[in-house]
Amino acid sequence: GESVGLHLPTLSVQEGDNSIINCAYSNSASDYFIWYKQESGKGPQFIIDIRSNMDKRQGQRVTVLLNKTVKHLSLQIAATQPGDSAVYFCAENRAGDFNKFYFGSGTKLNVKP
Amino acid sequence: EAQVTQNPRYLITVTGKKLTVTCSQNMNHEYMSWYRQDPGLGLRQIYYSMNVEVTDKGDVPEGYKVSRKEKRNFPLILESPSPNQTSLYFCASSQTGGAFSEAFFGQGTRLTVV
Repeated sequence: GESVGLHLPTLSVQEGDNSIINCAYSNSASDYFIWYKQESGKGPQFIIDIRSNMDKRQGQRVTVLLNKTVKHLSLQIAATQPGDSAVYFCAENRAGDFNKFYFGSGTKLNVKP
Repeated sequence: EAQVTQNPRYLITVTGKKLTVTCSQNMNHEYMSWYRQDPGLGLRQIYYSMNVEVTDKGDVPEGYKVSRKEKRNFPLILESPSPNQTSLYFCASSQTGGAFSEAFFGQGTRLTVV
């Protein structure tokens, strides 16, 4: 069925290493994607977004890559810090239905000092 | 400070007792939305509102009602709560719906229905 999901529920990385969090989607009408970070006890916080007419978008220490051929996007965090420990979600918005958002189940990122 | 405020943060109630979770934003955003978050399922959209007096169903609207009488407020109403509505609820707002309109989330309301 249609889904927005994540390959790995938990990712552990060493402080200073780069992190890569993956997300798969299955709806070909998906037009806009967002990554959120959720720290324990808090609401999701916007990190970065990308539209389907782009392959890559960079922010501060974060990069989102979109591969429409295989319906996959990833969030890359450079020089991961302890403060990056959180659950990361991808979300999508679909052409023709742009008021609705569909979220993946999340990946927990653990940063080891 | 720009924020989305939900109340209460925690609520324990009994089956069938009507309750309202309030949501207020101070950013003059047009779009507001409610989500529930359950383990292994991520966030699922309950209802959304594109502007005052304009609301529509998300993916899981059954058992919930909303209203948007003022731009800043978007309460979530459970007329007859049931145990399967035990969940963590988030309200969010953004300038508009759709692409490139950053969403701001509240701190969440943890609801337990016994």
